[in-house]
Parts: sequence; structure tokens; C-alpha cells
Amino acid sequence: AQTVTQSQPEMSVQEAETVTLSCTYDTSESDYYLFWYKQPPSRQMILVIRQEAYKQQNATENRFSVNFQKAAKSFSLKISDSQLGDAAMYFCAYRTPESTTDSWGKLQFGAGTQVVVTP
Amino acid sequence: DGGITQSPKYLFRKEGQNVTLSCEQNLNHDAMYWYRQDPGQGLRLIYYSQIVNDFQKGDIAEGYSVSREKKESFPLTVTSAQKNPTAFYLCASSIDEDGDYSNQPQHFGDGTRLSIL
Repeated sequence: AQTVTQSQPEMSVQEAETVTLSCTYDTSESDYYLFWYKQPPSRQMILVIRQEAYKQQNATENRFSVNFQKAAKSFSLKISDSQLGDAAMYFCAYRTPESTTDSWGKLQFGAGTQVVVTP
Repeated sequence: DGGITQSPKYLFRKEGQNVTLSCEQNLNHDAMYWYRQDPGQGLRLIYYSQIVNDFQKGDIAEGYSVSREKKESFPLTVTSAQKNPTAFYLCASSIDEDGDYSNQPQHFGDGTRLSIL
């Protein structure tokens, strides 16, 4: 079974600074997908960024970028130029292709990291 | 605007009572999902459905039931068999692109908070 581990319950960052959230996962699959979701106080889940395992290039979305290390099974999220609106719970998620026999493409979430942004 | 609508926002259940959480989407998505979120934890999958009239159990289906009679709707019933129903419930959907949902992000509703009276 796949597991997703986020070892940092909370991270604090000052406005305009950079913060990196860690995520590791356990899998025996070679093809899969990784996602970072943001959950602000409103509790809505918002997709931040996604990465396909077969792509070596790290995904970027404006101020958000990932460091995907497939061999180490690591998928960290870097938030640059942090803004007050970035304050939220961030979840790392893993998903296998639908064709995987022991999985239908289920999304597996980590426990989350709370990001606190200070002025 | 397209999106996912969950209702009600807050729901209270009396002991022994079944309650139903509504989830409607107008995104024309094929797949729909129900998750449960407990404090300090990530989301856990309750049920999912890839097509109308078909659904599958997730990791924590005991004490819950669903139906998928229409593409747009995927209601979740929390039965009296669910002894610890207090949680935040999220509904999500994703599109079937070439029969594979895997690379598609899931879109989420705003959630329903269920508490026991």
C-alpha cells in the first residue's frame, strides 16, 4: 500500500521569504502522479501544483515549484516570495494510474503541513 | 460558473439517525468522490464513483452509503452504524480524459461539517 508522509506539522515563514514543505511517499510503482493541495481556513481544497513521475523536469506554477526526487521518493514544495494569502494547510497527495491492478487510481493524502505567514 | 455544490454547510445528527449529505456538480465530470477529514489528519476516501449507477468502497466505507443515479449527483448517507460521524466531509469530482483519471486533479466542494447532537 502506498503511504504519504509529511513530517512537518507546521512551518512559519515571513512575508516575501521562501519556505519549503517536505513530502515523502512509499511506492513500488514506476508510473504515478503527485499533487500539492492547499486548504485555507475556508476549508476548500485548492490544487496548487502537480507532477507526473515520468517527467524529470520539476513542475512550477508562478511562485510555487516542486523538487521531485524520484529515486528518493521525495516531492517537496517551495513557496517563494510568501504572501499572507499563502497561509493554509498544505497536503501532498499521491495517485497511481488507473491501470494499476491493486489500485484504481486512488488519491492518497498526507497528514498536512500548516503554513503560517508572518508580516 | 461551473463547480461542486455541497449542502448543507453544517449538519447535526441525533443518535440512531441517518443523515444525507448532498453533492452536485455541473462540471460534466464522470468521477465523483467522498472524503472524510478529521482534525490534524489528511483526507480519507469513503466512496467513489466513476460512472452512473456504479460506485466502489474506499478505505473507510463502513457506516456510509452512496448512490449515483445521475451524473451530476452523488449523495452520501451517514447511517446510524457509523459510531463516530463527527468530521468534515468533502466531495470531489474529476474528468475522464481518455478513460484515465489518474493525471487529472480532483475538484472539491466547500465541504459539510457533521456533528452529533
